[in-house]
Amino acid sequence: AQSVAQPEDQVNVAEGNPLTVKCTYSVSGNPYLFWYVQYPNRGLQFLLKYITGDNLVKGSYGFEAEFNKSQTSFHLKKPSALVSDSALYFCAVRDIRGFQKLVFGTGTRLLVSP
Amino acid sequence: EAGVTQFPSHSVIEKGQTVTLRCDPISGHDNLYWYRRVMGKEIKFLLHFVKESKQDESGMPNNRFLAERTGGTYSTLKVQPAELEDSGVYFCASSQVSNPYEQYFGPGTRLTVT
Repeated sequence: AQSVAQPEDQVNVAEGNPLTVKCTYSVSGNPYLFWYVQYPNRGLQFLLKYITGDNLVKGSYGFEAEFNKSQTSFHLKKPSALVSDSALYFCAVRDIRGFQKLVFGTGTRLLVSP
Repeated sequence: EAGVTQFPSHSVIEKGQTVTLRCDPISGHDNLYWYRRVMGKEIKFLLHFVKESKQDESGMPNNRFLAERTGGTYSTLKVQPAELEDSGVYFCASSQVSNPYEQYFGPGTRLTVT
């Protein structure tokens, strides 16, 4: 079965420092991978996706993610964190068994301190 | 462009009662999905509509849950009778048929069953 793991419940980083939110995946075949962000009292917002092509994917709000096939990882990164980046981040993978449903990780809370 | 909207934002009901959640997708999005996040765990897929047809309902937990999308526009998810374990946040998402993996989520309905 397709799955993703987000090993950290929370990541703390100071404003201006680089941030990384980790995600590893387990899939059969080629993975379709996604990152979503949930700000307080808001729905999930799409950040970026990897389907094929360059391993470094650029997304919204200055975020990027690096697809690493050998390590089965898809870590989310940003060179310089903002306090406004504080939110809940979800990694997801397409479930190839069933049409278009997404399989999500448990989420990682990012806290950026001033 | 209006995003995905959900109503109500919060619902508190007693065990055994009935609750109906509503989702209005983005106009023109034929794909509509329901997901659920229970007690801070991962977000889990419930079902997927294409227009008014159920494409995949493999995630529906049991026959107490009934989803409809009459006319292929808004959708409702009814829980009858509600049980304590149904508590959680119910998300609706929509996407275009031409770009199914870029799913746009609503803010969710927080359901509490007491």
